[in-house]
Amino acid sequence: TQLLEQSPQFLSIQEGENLTVYCNSSSVFSSLQWYRQEPGEGPVLLVTVVTGGEVKKLKRLTFQFGDARKDSSLHITAAQPGDTGLYLCAGHDYKLSFGAGTTVTVRA
Amino acid sequence: EAQVTQNPRYLITVTGKKLTVTCSQNMNHEYMSWYRQDPGLGLRQIYYSMNVEVTDKGDVPEGYKVSRKEKRNFPLILESPSPNQTSLYFCASSFTIRRSSTDTQYFGPGTRLTVL
Repeated sequence: TQLLEQSPQFLSIQEGENLTVYCNSSSVFSSLQWYRQEPGEGPVLLVTVVTGGEVKKLKRLTFQFGDARKDSSLHITAAQPGDTGLYLCAGHDYKLSFGAGTTVTVRA
Repeated sequence: EAQVTQNPRYLITVTGKKLTVTCSQNMNHEYMSWYRQDPGLGLRQIYYSMNVEVTDKGDVPEGYKVSRKEKRNFPLILESPSPNQTSLYFCASSFTIRRSSTDTQYFGPGTRLTVL
């Protein structure tokens, strides 16, 4: 059983559209991290959210941590082909527990 | 350049033939960890090390061994590989892993292992 559930599993959109990826858990985490992984490479950290209700922006990416620190979302505005990749959320509580990931494909 | 390196990147082997995947980091990190990544299952932790000579089991340690004799190196050993260990393996490191830590975890490029 996955500690962190990510949805959707796959997402394919046209360039310029918006998308949202969700990460949900029944556990409370001290912080939550989002990673992006490209084929043939290891995951790379995008952001860490720590406070319940926190919102962080990274250019066209907006990350939100739920008030209860159990869930998070990643929203991409005006997606570009360069946003294509596997997006992973990871809950931090003495160790990192990863979700299964959301594969995002942005078509030109 | 700050990085985590793994070798080999690709390995095809046969059941029962002992192998070692090396991992090295040049960032003086205390914490190192091994994960395996399988489709639909995400990254699952195999073993981790809080510091030199300190190692502990992760979520899926069966069939694996590790050692941490030096701070920079954390090899993963498969004494008798089996086909169910066919997977993509990642080594990672960070300064710490305290509960309140927001340290970045740096991942290596991965080792794709196939056990026939």
